[in-house]
Amino acid sequence: GAVVSQHPSWVICKSGTSVKIECRSLDFQATTMFWYRQFPKQSLMLMATSNEGSKATYEQGVEKDKFLINHASLTLSTLTVTSAHPEDSSFYICSAPESGYEQYFGPGTRLTVT
Amino acid sequence: GQSLEQPSEVTAVEGAIVQINCTYQTSGFYGLSWYQQHDGGAPTFLSYNGLDGLEETGRFSSFLSRSDSYGYLLLQELQMKDSASYFCAVQGGKLIFGQGTELSVKP
Repeated sequence: GAVVSQHPSWVICKSGTSVKIECRSLDFQATTMFWYRQFPKQSLMLMATSNEGSKATYEQGVEKDKFLINHASLTLSTLTVTSAHPEDSSFYICSAPESGYEQYFGPGTRLTVT
Repeated sequence: GQSLEQPSEVTAVEGAIVQINCTYQTSGFYGLSWYQQHDGGAPTFLSYNGLDGLEETGRFSSFLSRSDSYGYLLLQELQMKDSASYFCAVQGGKLIFGQGTELSVKP
C-alpha cells in the first residue's frame, strides 16, 4: 500500500515559537492532502485540506494565520503552527488519498508546547 | 453540517462477534469508511461502503443503508489485538470522522 511519512514524530517547543511539520507521500503523488488534529481519547478533527499549487481550505473555526499550510510539490505538504501555545499541544496527523476512497495516514506528530 | 454518532465504548471477549453502529447526517455523501486506530498510532483503513449492502474483508464486514443513514462494522472471531478505537467516517470530498468507539477485547 501507499506510504505517507511525517516529520518530526514528536516535538517539544516553548510557548511563542513556531513549529513546522512535514507530510510526505513516499511512493505516490498527492495533489490533495489533509491535516487533522487529535486530542487524547478524542476523534480526528479535520483542520484543513492542502491543495498542491493553490491555497489550503480551512475548516470552520481553524485559524488560517495560525496554522500555515504549504503544499509546494506533489509529494510534500507542510503545516506550521505559529506562535504556539500550550493549548496547541496535540497529535497532528496528515493523510492523502492515493486513488479512490482510501486515505493513507502518516504516523502523526506529537506536539508539546511548554 | 455533518455529524456522526457511534457508541463510545464496547467490551467483548476473545472469539466473540461485535457490531459497532454508526448513524450519520451529512450533505455530499459518497460513502462510509471505517478506520482502526491503536493507541498512539495512525488510523488504518478497514473498509468502505459506497453502495447499500454488506462488504466482507476477512474477519471484518461493513454494512451501509443509505436510506437509513446507517452503517455498521462487524468484527468476528475477536482477538486481543483487535482492542483499539474504531471510527466511522463519511467520505464526501473530504473525510469526516465520528467520535470513535473504543473496543476492549478481554481474554
